[in-house]
Amino acid sequence: QKEVEQNSGPLSVPEGAIASLNCTYSDRGSQSFFWYRQYSGKSPELIMFIYSNGDKEDGRFTAQLNKASQYVSLLIRDSQPSDSATYLCAVNMFGKLVFGAGTILRVKS
Amino acid sequence: GAVVSQHPSWVICKSGTSVKIECRSLDFQATTMFWYRQFPKQSLMLMATSNEGSKATYEQGVEKDKFLINHASLTLSTLTVTSAHPEDSSFYICSAHTGTSGMSEQYFGPGTRLTVT
Repeated sequence: QKEVEQNSGPLSVPEGAIASLNCTYSDRGSQSFFWYRQYSGKSPELIMFIYSNGDKEDGRFTAQLNKASQYVSLLIRDSQPSDSATYLCAVNMFGKLVFGAGTILRVKS
Repeated sequence: GAVVSQHPSWVICKSGTSVKIECRSLDFQATTMFWYRQFPKQSLMLMATSNEGSKATYEQGVEKDKFLINHASLTLSTLTVTSAHPEDSSFYICSAHTGTSGMSEQYFGPGTRLTVT
């Protein structure tokens, strides 16, 4: 079992729709969780982080964390073509970030 | 805030030569910096954790004598790829913690694309 798992996609959504990206992790003791966006040929850009169970909203982005289910998700509302990228879920395990393989999101206009 | 720079952004070198990559935190002090490598269509793989004033901690399978890391100050860490070979061609990315705890987020540099011919 991989430490951090994501569906590789691609996930295709129409412009204006909600994109839902999911991530599961193996270490039950993990406390902090991060979503990064990576455009092709560029380095990752931090979108959001979440530490507590529940939802955290920042603009069009909402991160959801369920520690009991070891599940973290990212919702992108009103998706735009510029949101097309690879989204990386990262989990802080023992002071190090462990990344999932990433989900490719394509927003079609 | 929380800007991390890397230099160079890309480099081409001949097989057998060494290449140094610099990572700087521009507007904060980073006691810990991280070096990652990313091959095409793959995720980031942590190579080593660099702590200011002490030896780097390397991940399993990463040769410490080949990938030399020096964290000379709270704002600068360097990665030297020694005796580079074509299989070392990759995208090398550094990141830095903004705080001192594992709860704080990491910010990434823009990356350095290394091509070894």
